[in-house]
Amino acid sequence: AQSVTQLGSHVSVSEGALVLLRCNYSSSVPPYLFWYVQYPNQGLQLLLKYTSAATLVKGINGFEAEFKKSETSFHLTKPSAHMSDAAEYFCAVSDLAGNQFYFGTGTSLTVIP
Amino acid sequence: EAGVTQSPTHLIKTRGQQATLRCSPISGHTSVYWYQQALGLGLQFLLWYDEGEERNRGNFPPRFSGRQFPNYSSELNVNALELEDSALYLCASSPDYNEQFFGPGTRLTVL
Repeated sequence: AQSVTQLGSHVSVSEGALVLLRCNYSSSVPPYLFWYVQYPNQGLQLLLKYTSAATLVKGINGFEAEFKKSETSFHLTKPSAHMSDAAEYFCAVSDLAGNQFYFGTGTSLTVIP
Repeated sequence: EAGVTQSPTHLIKTRGQQATLRCSPISGHTSVYWYQQALGLGLQFLLWYDEGEERNRGNFPPRFSGRQFPNYSSELNVNALELEDSALYLCASSPDYNEQFFGPGTRLTVL
């Protein structure tokens, strides 16, 4: 079975600082990879996805992620944090058959003014 | 395009009762997924329905069940409710297995 590991359940950054949220996956074949964001009391919103095209994926709200097969990583970054980025972020992987999505345990991002 | 909708928004039940949660997928999406998001536990996969059939289920007891209707909407039933069933239940729909679109969730509280 596939799995997703998000390092750091809580991350705090200052407003304007770099955001780096880490995600590693286990998969024997290149999977589909996703980052979702969840604001309080809401469902999940897709930030970006990797589906075996370009390894650097750009998403909404200035976020991007880079697929590194050799490191089995898909870390999420944003050059400059904004207060509105404070939320829960989930990394997910799907097998190509779509039988199941595997979600990480989430990283709560706090932005300090 | 209307998104995934879920009802009710909040549901309060007592131990031993049954809960029914509903989900309407985005028009044209045939797959519906259910997840449980309990405090501190992330998203746990519950069930996957596609074209009216249950395709896969997560590691949950049989008292968690559901169905998908001909119009692709779905229902999640939880029987013999326990306190630990209190959680946010999220529904997602998908057009092609490689992306999921989430609804706002139903907050179930078991007293």
